[in-house]
Amino acid sequence: DAGVTQSPTHLIKTRGQQVTLRCSPKSGHDTVSWYQQALGQGPQFIFQYYEEEERQRGNFPDRFSGHQFPNYSSELNVNALLLGDSALYLCASSLLYRINTGELFFGEGSRLTVL
Amino acid sequence: AQSVTQLDSQVPVFEEAPVELRCNYSSSVSVYLFWYVQYPNQGLQLLLKYLSGSTLVKGINGFEAEFNKSQTSFHLRKPSVHISDTAEYFCAVSEPLSFQGAQKLVFGQGTRLTINP
Repeated sequence: DAGVTQSPTHLIKTRGQQVTLRCSPKSGHDTVSWYQQALGQGPQFIFQYYEEEERQRGNFPDRFSGHQFPNYSSELNVNALLLGDSALYLCASSLLYRINTGELFFGEGSRLTVL
Repeated sequence: AQSVTQLDSQVPVFEEAPVELRCNYSSSVSVYLFWYVQYPNQGLQLLLKYLSGSTLVKGINGFEAEFNKSQTSFHLRKPSVHISDTAEYFCAVSEPLSFQGAQKLVFGQGTRLTINP
């Protein structure tokens, strides 16, 4: 049973560019959340998707957007990249009715470096 | 708003020694509390959680944590650590929802546990 898979694992972009990160949830899961983990920091909640809609959003600018597809996979898009966007981006999946109990399954992340 | 403070950024201990990783939280409402572990180059894995009931919670790999409401703490402990416990540990809090809806975890900054032989 595959867990949460994310791609790419590493990527390098320059300021002003755009990036798309992808996530496939654990089999059977219907909800995807995205977190940003800056170096030496804890993960910060970006947003969460269920039924192809953004359900809740953290304190991130509109440059951060996402999408969920009918097969529950998800994308995170970041436009007009800034140096401060360099971080590990984590995808977490769950079943909606279990998400209130913290039963999130995390992928290994996509490490974005902005030069 | 909720917040989590992990009081130690790094904790070095010798193998087979006991360890305690400290976590304090701030919230105006009741909360759920969690400890996650992140091994090098891996995602986060749930160690244990407190939702309600007994304040002493047991998790995987021999870890346990105690919820102390009066001190707003949720410290993680293990009586005897192994080299394989070397990892980053994150305390997190969430607000129980009255409905099954969107929920976010608020994480602390992490504690790096290093086990020395």
